[in-house]
Amino acid sequence: GEEVAQTPKHLVRGEGQKAKLYCAPIKGHSYVFWYQQVLKNEFKFLISFQNENVFDETGMPKERFSAKCLPNSPCSLEIQATKLEDSAVYFCASSPLQTGRSNQPQHFGDGTRLSIL
Amino acid sequence: AQSVTQLGSHVSVSEGALVLLRCNYSSSVPPYLFWYVQYPNQGLQLLLKYTSAATLVKGINGFEAEFKKSETSFHLTKPSAHMSDAAEYFCAVSGRDSSYKLIFGSGTRLLVRP
Repeated sequence: GEEVAQTPKHLVRGEGQKAKLYCAPIKGHSYVFWYQQVLKNEFKFLISFQNENVFDETGMPKERFSAKCLPNSPCSLEIQATKLEDSAVYFCASSPLQTGRSNQPQHFGDGTRLSIL
Repeated sequence: AQSVTQLGSHVSVSEGALVLLRCNYSSSVPPYLFWYVQYPNQGLQLLLKYTSAATLVKGINGFEAEFKKSETSFHLTKPSAHMSDAAEYFCAVSGRDSSYKLIFGSGTRLLVRP
C-alpha cells in the first residue's frame, strides 16, 4: 500500500496482560522502525528492521518487549506482562533506505494508542 | 551523541503572521535534518528535509527551513500563518552512521489565533 497501516488504533489491556500491535509498511520499503511516544510528546526509538532482519534494537527494553517482521506478514510489536508505564502511542514508520544513505525520510503510520489499566 | 533541542514548547501567532519554530541540533558529523508535523490523533507527516544539497529547504504547505552550520540551527518558518497550521511540530536528526533512527526534539505546539 501507499501508507503505513497500523492496527489496532486503540488497544486497552489490564496490567499484566499481553499486547500485540501490527504494522504493514509501504510496499517496497525495506526498513521498518518502531517508536514509542509518551505523554510528554517524547519519541523513543525502540527497534528497526531491514526486511525481516533486526537492524538496530538498541532502544528495546530487554524484558517483555519483542518484535518481528516476517515475509508476507505485517510486522508486529508484542509486550508481555504489560505495566502501567507502557501506556503510550506506538508508531511504526517505513523507509526505502539504501545502505549508507540515511537521508531518506521515514513515513509514519497513525499509531496505536495503548492504554494499560 | 546526537541531540535536538526545540526552544519553546508552545508558540502562538495570529493568522497571517510569520511563523518561526526553532530547532538546534548537536552532531559530531554533518546531520540529516527533518521537520515533521503531527495533527491530533495522527502520525507524523514530513514537511521538509535537509540532506546537504542546499541550505534553504522548501517544504509542503509553504514552510521552509534554513540550515545554518555556524549556529547549528534548522529553524522552520512560514511567512503567513493559516488556521490549518495549528499542530505539533517536531524537528528530528538522523546521523550518517549506520543506525538510521530518528532522534526527535520535544516538539513545539503551534497555536494560530484568528
